[in-house]
Amino acid sequence: GENVEQHPSTLSVQEGDSAVIKCTYSDSASNYFPWYKQELGKRPQLIIDIRSNVGEKKDQRIAVTLNKTAKHFSLHITETQPEDSAVYFCAAGFSGGYNKLIFGAGTRLAVHP
Amino acid sequence: EAGVTQFPSHSVIEKGQTVTLRCDPISGHDNLYWYRRVMGKEIKFLLHFVKESKQDESGMPNNRFLAERTGGTYSTLKVQPAELEDSGVYFCASSLGTSAQHFGDGTRLSIL
Repeated sequence: GENVEQHPSTLSVQEGDSAVIKCTYSDSASNYFPWYKQELGKRPQLIIDIRSNVGEKKDQRIAVTLNKTAKHFSLHITETQPEDSAVYFCAAGFSGGYNKLIFGAGTRLAVHP
Repeated sequence: EAGVTQFPSHSVIEKGQTVTLRCDPISGHDNLYWYRRVMGKEIKFLLHFVKESKQDESGMPNNRFLAERTGGTYSTLKVQPAELEDSGVYFCASSLGTSAQHFGDGTRLSIL
């Protein structure tokens, strides 16, 4: 069936370092890849998304890359700050936000001052 | 603009009882989704409404779960009778057309 694998499950970095989270999806029909950040006790918040017609997208310190051939996509956070500490979820879907999203298991990122 | 709101935020019930969760999507959003996260695992899809119609209910675990969206506005998800394995956080999300899905805070459901 459809699934998304996400690694690592936990990630600890020093403030100012970069963090990379990787996901692999199984359904080759997927063409929409959002990333959500969930702080403790709060709702998952969309931080960036990419559609399959582009290979990379950036928004300030956050970037996402997509390799359709390998069915891999990754989240890159540069110059990490303590407020980046949260659980990050990758997801794969079809037709943008219209259809169901298949989520990875999440990565708990801790940024230490 | 108000975001997706869910009620209650927490619910603790005993096995065999009934619980109803409510979701109010962002105003004007035609798509409404239910997801569930169990025991720190991935967020899993349950159901997708387009307006008042069920577009995809492939993720509903069994017939103890009933979702409705009368009038195409808010939605309810009823679990009857609740079992221990139903414990988890139930999220609702909404979107307009093919735009991104926006999530609510979730309802933490505990079955004792």
